[in-house]
Amino acid sequence: DAEITQSPRHKITETGRQVTLACHQTWNHNNMFWYRQDLGHGLRLIHYSYGVQDTNKGEVSDGYSVSRSNTEDLPLTLESAASSQTSVYFCASSRDRNSPLHFGNGTRLTVT
Amino acid sequence: AQSVTQPDIHITVSEGASLELRCNYSYGATPYLFWYVQSPGQGLQLLLKYFSGDTLVQGIKGFEAEFKRSQSSFNLRKPSVHWSDAAEYFCAVKGGSYIPTFGRGTSLIVHP
Repeated sequence: DAEITQSPRHKITETGRQVTLACHQTWNHNNMFWYRQDLGHGLRLIHYSYGVQDTNKGEVSDGYSVSRSNTEDLPLTLESAASSQTSVYFCASSRDRNSPLHFGNGTRLTVT
Repeated sequence: AQSVTQPDIHITVSEGASLELRCNYSYGATPYLFWYVQSPGQGLQLLLKYFSGDTLVQGIKGFEAEFKRSQSSFNLRKPSVHWSDAAEYFCAVKGGSYIPTFGRGTSLIVHP
């Protein structure tokens, strides 16, 4: 079955370090998204991509970057991790504009 | 612009009782509407979606939702709640873009 895999599931890092969270989907979807989930805020969009070589900023993109070199992967990089980036991160994908999102199981990131 | 409000942060029901979770949206035309469920430590799973047509939508796990244009609402219902329904529920709206906006979520607590 097709799926979205996020790795690692848990990560602890120190302030100032660069961190990359992986997202791999086997749905062959063009659209991919990164969200962060925090208590009281629900899901907030970080970055998204409509296809290879396409990336766009979401509402909370500061301090994050993504790259899309193939259809399957959209890694999320924190250039210099900050404590405010402690959160649960979800990757998602969708086939087209009419389709719902399929979500990965999330990465819990702690920045100390 | 699109937005969605889930007025209830927590809902507590007894097992076997009926359930209604509220969702209000803001969008100029008829949007795409979704309900997702999130179990602890998991990603979001689609319960049901509304694109057009019949305003009463059936989903998985015995859930249904009704689109009411006049009230800008898309409330989720279940006639008899099971203990396994305890989870976080998210309403989402998608307008003219590929990108859904999520509500802040409602936490469902089920008492035996």
